[in-house]
Amino acid sequence: GAGVSQTPSNKVTEKGKYVELRCDPISGHTALYWYRQSLGQGPEFLIYFQGTGAADDSGLPNDRFFAVRPEGSVSTLKIQRTERGDSAVYLCASSLTSGSFHEQFFGPGTRLTVL
Amino acid sequence: GENVEQHPSTLSVQEGDSAVIKCTYSDSASNYFPWYKQELGKGPQLIIDIRSNVGEKKDQRIAVTLNKTAKHFSLHITETQPEDSAVYFCAASSIDSNYQLIWGAGTKLIIKP
Repeated sequence: GAGVSQTPSNKVTEKGKYVELRCDPISGHTALYWYRQSLGQGPEFLIYFQGTGAADDSGLPNDRFFAVRPEGSVSTLKIQRTERGDSAVYLCASSLTSGSFHEQFFGPGTRLTVL
Repeated sequence: GENVEQHPSTLSVQEGDSAVIKCTYSDSASNYFPWYKQELGKGPQLIIDIRSNVGEKKDQRIAVTLNKTAKHFSLHITETQPEDSAVYFCAASSIDSNYQLIWGAGTKLIIKP
């Protein structure tokens, strides 16, 4: 079946611009996670949703970052006033549910470059 | 909070030999330890995991061992093959941390033909 998909695969933007990154989770997965991965590092947790609500947004670095999941399926990560330091690969993962140790299935990521 | 350290950062082994990657964690409440494999341009993929109520788990050529007293766990790959070349990440999680995965920095495994 279809895995987690993310669009776009690559995004180049200028400093100060607004960007949206999209994640389509595996159908039926109620938990959705956003991570940021810098070169040579492990994924860094940003936020996770259980259904439509953000269950834990403690990893968002500042208020320029925001994420939504209005219908409990597709999620969008929004970054305002982008900075060069935001350049990274943004990974999305989904799992059957949260609240236990379920495998997280990852998408291929969106590579964001802020010039 | 939890901190996970992973060694080595790069590991080069001859095809057919074994590879071992080690991780340590700081939070004694952690009780779930997955290992992920990441190939170039792809997201991480779970290859094996272990929970704190067991000391070892095997799946064909892959095994993971856990020492809760010492707070370290290791990934063992035997009879390595070229397709094992990738970056491997360990992670730790606990109920106390809301099941968040805390990741190591990764090990680049190179299999030499």
